[in-house]
Amino acid sequence: KQEVTQIPAALSVPEGENLVLNCSFTDSAIYNLQWFRQDPGKGLTSLLLIQSSQREQTSGRLNASLDKSSGRSTLYIAASQPGDSATYLCAVCYNTDKLIFGTGTRLQVFP
Amino acid sequence: EPEVTQTPSHQVTQMGQEVILRCVPISNHLYFYWYRQILGQKVEFLVSFYNNEISEKSEIFDDQFSVERPDGSNFTLKIRSTKLEDSAMYFCASSDQGQGVKLFFGSGTQLSVL
Repeated sequence: KQEVTQIPAALSVPEGENLVLNCSFTDSAIYNLQWFRQDPGKGLTSLLLIQSSQREQTSGRLNASLDKSSGRSTLYIAASQPGDSATYLCAVCYNTDKLIFGTGTRLQVFP
Repeated sequence: EPEVTQTPSHQVTQMGQEVILRCVPISNHLYFYWYRQILGQKVEFLVSFYNNEISEKSEIFDDQFSVERPDGSNFTLKIRSTKLEDSAMYFCASSDQGQGVKLFFGSGTQLSVL
């Protein structure tokens, strides 16, 4: 069964720290992987999309890496800010229309 | 920036009633999706829609569910006879291409079935 797992489930850090969020997937034959941000009462915002042929993608303070063979992706957040507080979701696509989501990491950055 | 809009933001209904959840995708997008998230659980795929027909659906999307694009702008999800377990946040999403591109999600409709 194709499953996506994220650890940790929750994380609370002081402002300014560099963070690593982890995502693992059981079937390594992915088509692509996306990282989303979910704010309470709001929808999902796509942060980064990594194709299966890529190793990483960067956007501002965010960097996502992909190791397909080991079934892992990491989202690195540099110099965290209180505005980064949200739930971060990893989602995998296996060459179909659907995304398979992980359970998410709930991040709180305090001043 | 263009966005996907969903109405209503909250919907309360009695078990057995029909509900229609509405979405306006981004105007030049051609691929449309519904996902749902039961409280405390993962976001789950329901259905994808392209060229006026369903392209893929999950096992959740049974005969009680249907989707429609009644005009050039709206995309709807209908649940014919709601059950308690249909209570969830329902998200609409759209993209300008199929697989391999970012999805743009709406802010969701919280459906509560009593």
